[in-house]
Amino acid sequence: GEDVEQSLFLSVREGDSSVINCTYTDSSSTYLYWYKQEPGAGLQLLTYIFSNMDMKQDQRLTVLLNKKDKHLSLRIADTQTGDSAIYFCAERKAAGNKLTFGGGTRVLVKP
Amino acid sequence: GAGVSQTPSNKVTEKGKYVELRCDPISGHTALYWYRQSLGQGPEFLIYFQGTGAADDSGLPNDRFFAVRPEGSVSTLKIQRTERGDSAVYLCASSPTSGLTYNEQFFGPGTRLTVL
Repeated sequence: GEDVEQSLFLSVREGDSSVINCTYTDSSSTYLYWYKQEPGAGLQLLTYIFSNMDMKQDQRLTVLLNKKDKHLSLRIADTQTGDSAIYFCAERKAAGNKLTFGGGTRVLVKP
Repeated sequence: GAGVSQTPSNKVTEKGKYVELRCDPISGHTALYWYRQSLGQGPEFLIYFQGTGAADDSGLPNDRFFAVRPEGSVSTLKIQRTERGDSAVYLCASSPTSGLTYNEQFFGPGTRLTVL
């Protein structure tokens, strides 16, 4: 949606780190999420961060949140070919339960 | 355990026809959501149920779209007088509750609707 924006495409070499960026507009967002979508599969939640945090690490995944700039990023360390997919960031506003998704970033991992 | 299931997986219909899309949420999940994903875009919210009632239907594009969840489990999304612009993947998700936690939404594989 218009409230959440992402770059369209990222190409990365296997073993390198990937960084996917996202900007959002609503300062009242409570939780921000990263979902992964692979061909023929449903959306899978990778990780999330609460709005009062600025960093969260979960194995190869690191989420950084700059609330002042309304900027969210997902870093994938040691990117593998299985990480090739479309990644969506999403925000959940304080006033409800619906998610507002960005347009997705297609990540292509080259061997 | 079983995840969210959606039927049919694919639906091809003609302009002007009526379609129903079904969602079976994860057993015990009280919250159910419908989203629509057009080609090359992210999912867009349509409607959210808490139990049997629609708690938020602000995403339904017009009155041709309607959804029900009569017993608080299975939900049906109904589209009348389909238009070519309705062609998309319709995603259903469920979550255990709609409380103050991070409230993970578990997504089904979607129904791909094509209106000719």
